[in-house]
Amino acid sequence: GEDVEQSLFLSVREGDSSVINCTYTDSSSTYLYWYKQEPGAGLQLLTYIFSNMDMKQDQRLTVLLNKKDKHLSLRIADTQTGDSAIYFCAERDNQGGKLIFGQGTELSVKP
Amino acid sequence: DTEVTQTPKHLVMGMTNKKSLKCEQHMGHRAMYWYKQKAKKPPELMFVYSYEKLSINESVPSRFSPECPNSSLLNLHLHALQPEDSALYLCASSRGQGATEAFFGQGTRLTVV
Repeated sequence: GEDVEQSLFLSVREGDSSVINCTYTDSSSTYLYWYKQEPGAGLQLLTYIFSNMDMKQDQRLTVLLNKKDKHLSLRIADTQTGDSAIYFCAERDNQGGKLIFGQGTELSVKP
Repeated sequence: DTEVTQTPKHLVMGMTNKKSLKCEQHMGHRAMYWYKQKAKKPPELMFVYSYEKLSINESVPSRFSPECPNSSLLNLHLHALQPEDSALYLCASSRGQGATEAFFGQGTRLTVV
């Protein structure tokens, strides 16, 4: 079955780059996603990447996909305190549109 | 506009109560979803509606009853819940069930006492 794994915590200093990593198991996934969840809030779609791409950049966010190793990463440049949140990696089940989430990485940004 | 609106934001209910959670979107999306999220855990899918018909039920107990009265609205009716059902309930929508982007609401924080 599908499984998505992430490390649970990451702490960085304001202004540094943050890199959040994710591994997934379903090689047939066509899209992979990054969602952000602030305390007490819903999920915000940050970005996604199609499986035939290896990189996507959107302002401060860079997504890298290594399909061979089933490894996805999210790099946040110039990390700000407002970036403190939980970041979920997700893959989509091709059989029903269901999103399968990793455990989430809690990013803490220190001034 | 990528807004999915959920009401209420917070709900406290007793185990014998009946209550409903509501979700609304005006993006013309034809797939709508209910997810349940426990504290410090990822969201887990409960139900999917596609074109107002129930498409997926992830073996959810019958004390949770979804309803999709029209293409913009999704309800979740709650009856005889248990304290372990306390969680954040998230609604999401997408253009279709296989569409690329899914947008989430802010959630309803449910506490069962």
